[in-house]
Amino acid sequence: DQQVKQNSPSLSVQEGRISILNCDYTNSMFDYFLWYKKYPAEGPTFLISISSIKDKNEDGRFTVFLNKSAKHLSLHIVPSQPGDSAVYFCAASGYIQGAQKLVFGQGTRLTINP
Amino acid sequence: DGGITQSPKYLFRKEGQNVTLSCEQNLNHDAMYWYRQDPGQGLRLIYYSQIVNDFQKGDIAEGYSVSREKKESFPLTVTSAQKNPTAFYLCASSISPVTEAFFGQGTRLTVV
Repeated sequence: DQQVKQNSPSLSVQEGRISILNCDYTNSMFDYFLWYKKYPAEGPTFLISISSIKDKNEDGRFTVFLNKSAKHLSLHIVPSQPGDSAVYFCAASGYIQGAQKLVFGQGTRLTINP
Repeated sequence: DGGITQSPKYLFRKEGQNVTLSCEQNLNHDAMYWYRQDPGQGLRLIYYSQIVNDFQKGDIAEGYSVSREKKESFPLTVTSAQKNPTAFYLCASSISPVTEAFFGQGTRLTVV
């Protein structure tokens, strides 16, 4: 039962354009959402987060949007740069089955083309 | 320097052997996690601990065991009961389960 889903395994974007990564979740108990970036053979690094009481959070080139009614969040990167090429994971946190959990999606590999 | 350290970076194990992966953090975080990453899959939760001397099973705990005797340390033992242990293992910690988690560099375990 995949509670957090990233349906696009990969995405290719031209340098300077906008990258949009999507994530869907199924459990309405999730109340905090995060995006992580991961390079091969390294641990993920935190990028940006959003609480369920907000619908948008912006940090430099990164903006996360949350649509609670659709149980959908997205990460916008603009403008995209070659260094943004990595795997991006969305994650959701909430009190699930008696404990606070952090659940990750499958990841989307973003490639920025020069 | 504050951070989270996993060791070793690469580990080889013979079939039928138990092996322990180390995870240490000096961030004074209460919550710690172990995840497993397989090719084409997300991070799947093995075990997590919200405080010292307490831990809970994640989604794929079978064949693994953990301990949390100290706040700083959360070692993961991959037992011989784990049928497919070859994977990339990631340890993480956070101030609380509702804040962002910081990850170690990972341990790649290969069964030979």
